[in-house]
Amino acid sequence: GAVVSQHPSWVICKSGTSVKIECRSLDFQATTMFWYRQFPKQSLMLMATSNEGSKATYEQGVEKDKFLINHASLTLSTLTVTSAHPEDSSFYICSARLTANEQFFGPGTRLTVL
Amino acid sequence: EDQVTQSPEALRLQEGESSSLNCSYTVSGLRGLFWYRQDPGKGPEFLFTLYSAGEEKEKERLKATLTKKESFLHITAPKPEDSATYLCAGASNDYKLSFGAGTTVTVRA
Repeated sequence: GAVVSQHPSWVICKSGTSVKIECRSLDFQATTMFWYRQFPKQSLMLMATSNEGSKATYEQGVEKDKFLINHASLTLSTLTVTSAHPEDSSFYICSARLTANEQFFGPGTRLTVL
Repeated sequence: EDQVTQSPEALRLQEGESSSLNCSYTVSGLRGLFWYRQDPGKGPEFLFTLYSAGEEKEKERLKATLTKKESFLHITAPKPEDSATYLCAGASNDYKLSFGAGTTVTVRA
């Protein structure tokens, strides 16, 4: 149980385009999901908290207009990277909260911006 | 500001050579100390949650312990399949996770 999926697993896009990444909790409902970013050989950095039915809350230094988050249902959150640039290339990982203190992570999405 | 520091950055072990990984933390209102395993190109896989000093948890060759300032992950008689990056994270009073940079363990046969 407690499986989280992400789609796509990898994506390559041109600079200036937008990319949408989906995060789904497959066997449980999650009112809260989290989006993280991980650069090579670095740890996960929390970008934002996605709340079903309300606006996402962003960590300090994360541009909310660049990283659009939508949590449309209890099993789906999406992250859209708008006007992507090469410096946005990274590994994006989501997690879904099962209980207050339990998060289960997706397999990640590798974004490469050319 | 919450801080989680892991050491060493990398650890190379011979199969069967036991060792320990360290995680030092300063997390406000700690709600739990987590250990995850991450394989290259994958998301973190949950291993343990520790809640109070003195607590220990075991799973196969792994054992996690917790003090008021540190947590240790002991790997007993490791096998090559234990090669991975091990991440430590502290949950603050709002249940957000602060991650350490990880320890990359390589076990040679």
